[in-house]
Amino acid sequence: EAGVTQSPTHLIKTRGQQATLRCSPISGHTSVYWYQQALGLGLQFLLWYDEGEERNRGNFPPRFSGRQFPNYSSELNVNALELEDSALYLCASSPFGVAGRETQYFGPGTRLLVL
Amino acid sequence: DAKTTQPPSMDCAEGRAANLPCNHSTISGNEYVYWYRQIHSQGPQYIIHGLKNNETNEMASLIITEDRKSSTLILPHATLRDTAVYYCIVRVASYAGNMLTFGGGTRLMVKP
Repeated sequence: EAGVTQSPTHLIKTRGQQATLRCSPISGHTSVYWYQQALGLGLQFLLWYDEGEERNRGNFPPRFSGRQFPNYSSELNVNALELEDSALYLCASSPFGVAGRETQYFGPGTRLLVL
Repeated sequence: DAKTTQPPSMDCAEGRAANLPCNHSTISGNEYVYWYRQIHSQGPQYIIHGLKNNETNEMASLIITEDRKSSTLILPHATLRDTAVYYCIVRVASYAGNMLTFGGGTRLMVKP
């Protein structure tokens, strides 16, 4: 069974540009979660999508946005990039259900560097 | 969510069992205990989870105390590839989402 995939693996942008990160969930999973992990910091929740809808978002500015497609894959868009956006961006998928009982499986991440 | 406390680092000899403790003294009855690990700069890997009973899978065993205030993750025969940061998380069952928050974790170093 294929795991969660993310692309690209690395992305280099300059301040003010936009970045688009992509995620394909495990087959059969409808929920996609996005997280940011800055160097030396813990995991910070960004966005949760399920069945094409944004279900919840973390404490991040509106320039962090995304969407989920009919095939449950997802995009994370970061507009007006700032230096502090440099981080590892992780996508995780799970079946939808009572949270806490549904395990999230992570992809390998996209490392974004903003210069 | 209940807060968890883990030792910042541990060493283990290759081939021996690695026992990683986690305290979650404020855990409530409907909160699950999850364990993930993260090898440097890679995505976190799910290991195991449980509610009340001890659990075992192909990777590890999870021992939860009867009062559920602490748990231990056991890697029965640690290898060098088990060197990673291990995170213990407690999560409440909820339809509001399953957002994970990783704390400091335990950095396990498996030595030859």
